[in-house]
Order: sequence, then structure tokens, then C-alpha cells
Amino acid sequence: EIVLTQSPGTLSLSPGERATLSCRASQSVSSNYLAWYQQKPGQAPRLLIYGASSRATGIPDRFSGSGSGTDFTLTITRLEPEDFAVYHCQHYGTSPLTFGGGTKVEIK
Amino acid sequence: QVQLVESGGGVVQPGRSLRLSCVASGFTFRSYAIHWVRQAPGKGLEWVAVIWPEGSNKYYADSVKGRFTISRDNSKNTLYLQMNSLRAEDSAVYYCARDPSGSTGTTEEGYFDFWGQGTLVTVSS
Repeated sequence: EIVLTQSPGTLSLSPGERATLSCRASQSVSSNYLAWYQQKPGQAPRLLIYGASSRATGIPDRFSGSGSGTDFTLTITRLEPEDFAVYHCQHYGTSPLTFGGGTKVEIK
Repeated sequence: QVQLVESGGGVVQPGRSLRLSCVASGFTFRSYAIHWVRQAPGKGLEWVAVIWPEGSNKYYADSVKGRFTISRDNSKNTLYLQMNSLRAEDSAVYYCARDPSGSTGTTEEGYFDFWGQGTLVTVSS
């Protein structure tokens, strides 16, 4: 089973700042099968990124994903008020599918 | 637009059973793999199970294997999760989530492009 470790656990930033979230895998993720989701309180997750760097339909270009192998990054170039949420990474391509523990991006 | 609506959650005693449903609309249900994903209160996400478009293949997390059964009725655009021998650690919000397989022409991609709003299952005596 691939274990995903997200850091930091909480990121305190101000609107307009840049957010950099990390997701590290315990073994190499095949074909960069890595997705990112955003989740707001009381809501279901929303797909942001798949294939490590492809934005899902309707996702603003301030969200970008990068990385390969065991190290992946989600970057939000300029935080908007609606971006404060919890972000989850997830690997796919091998079973079982697993998620990281999440990073909360909170308003400083 | 794509919609997934779960139902069937509630409070149940340990050892008892519960069946969750997920009704889909806005897309060709029979063409897509569908997953169940759960989230315990205040915790992270955990993949539970997947069923391929025709229902021929089903896969489960080790934590639920032998106790949970995923199924689908493509004539009713409905996904099910039969949960038996429930434990306290099964308490969670259960989401059904669409796999983008139908858009990519595969049987399963393994990530989730649309999610339902979730249904809460609480296992407690």
C-alpha cells in the first residue's frame, strides 16, 4: 500500500499570498497517477488536479500541480477567499487507492 | 448536470446491517465505474470499494472486504453498498464518487471527478 504524507498539516496565509502544499509517497507513484481535491466544511471533495498536473474542468489556472515519482506539489499562486479549505492528495493506478491526511489552508 | 445523491445512512448498532444507495443523473451511468469513499468525523478520506461499468468487477479495501458488498442496477441508475457486521470504526460520511472512466474509454481510472453530498452512518450501541 502506498502511504501519502501531506505537509504541512496547516498552512496559515493571507489572501493574495502563494500556497505550496506537499504530498510525499512511500514509493514511486506509477505514471504520475496523483490527484488533488479541495474540500470545504460540510461539503464533498472537488477534483482539482489529476495526472499530477492536469487541471480538472472549470478549475482556475491559479491552481497547478507538479512533481513525479514520490514528491508532488500543489501550488495556488494567489489565494482567493474561496480557496481556504482542506486539500487532499490521492494516488491511483495501484490498489488500494489511498489518500494523504490533508492540508488545511487557513486565513492568517 | 452530473448529480449523485446518496441515501440510507443512519444510526445502527454494532453487528447490524445497513444498505446505502446512490442515485445518479446527468450522465450515462452504465458507462462509468463508481466508487464509495468514506470519511470519519474530523478525519481524512478512505477509499472503500469500486464497481466497474457492467458490474463485472468489484474491488474492496481490506478494512471492509468480506463485510461490505458493492452492486449496481444500471436500469435504475443506482449504486448500492450493503454493509454487514458493522463496527464502530465504520462510522463515517459515505460518498459515492464517479470515476471518469466513461469519458476516457477505460473500465476504471481510479480517481473521482464528481462526488455526491454524502450520507452519515453512525455505528453505536
